[in-house]
Amino acid sequence: EDQVTQSPEALRLQEGESSSLNCSYTVSGLRGLFWYRQDPGKGPEFLFTLYSAGEEKEKERLKATLTKKESFLHITAPKPEDSATYLCAVPPQGANFGNEKLTFGTGTRLTIIP
Amino acid sequence: NAGVTQTPKFQVLKTGQSMTLQCAQDMNHEYMSWYRQDPGMGLRLIHYSVGAGITDQGEVPNGYNVSRSTTEDFPLRLLSAAPSQTSVYFCASSSRLGGYGYTFGSGTRLTVV
Repeated sequence: EDQVTQSPEALRLQEGESSSLNCSYTVSGLRGLFWYRQDPGKGPEFLFTLYSAGEEKEKERLKATLTKKESFLHITAPKPEDSATYLCAVPPQGANFGNEKLTFGTGTRLTIIP
Repeated sequence: NAGVTQTPKFQVLKTGQSMTLQCAQDMNHEYMSWYRQDPGMGLRLIHYSVGAGITDQGEVPNGYNVSRSTTEDFPLRLLSAAPSQTSVYFCASSSRLGGYGYTFGSGTRLTVV
């Protein structure tokens, strides 16, 4: 069974304190890894798609990277507005297209303290 | 552009009642799906559709029914509500072109008593 595991479950950082969130996956023949941000009471919001080991994507203070077994979401000099739950997701092995039937991790709840 | 619209936002049902959660998108997306989100379990796929007239089961389909008669609409029906179906339900849509993430609705918080 394809699995997606995120760590840590929760992370509290001081404003400006950089750190990384981890997403490990077991699916073979990865056809894409997706990162989402979810604010309380709202639906997840798409951030990035990564396809191959070594690929990196950036958006403001966030940078996502991908290896053959895991992805990292690096957050540099975070601000309180970066507080949210960050989810990663992968399609199953043999998916017909890259974002079909995504399996989501349980997320990392990030809190940035002013 | 409204994106993905879900109604209602909140609902309380009694055990055994049926209801339909509505989902509509205005982006001409081929792919639509329903997830439920429970504490500690993340988002789990209930049903999905790759186009009008085509639906299939996800990870947790029991007790739910879907249909897709148009590209825009993808309603989720609870046939006979049970307390185990208390959850937050999200509808999502996307293009089938590679690299595009899902656009999610704002969710329906359902309580079954």
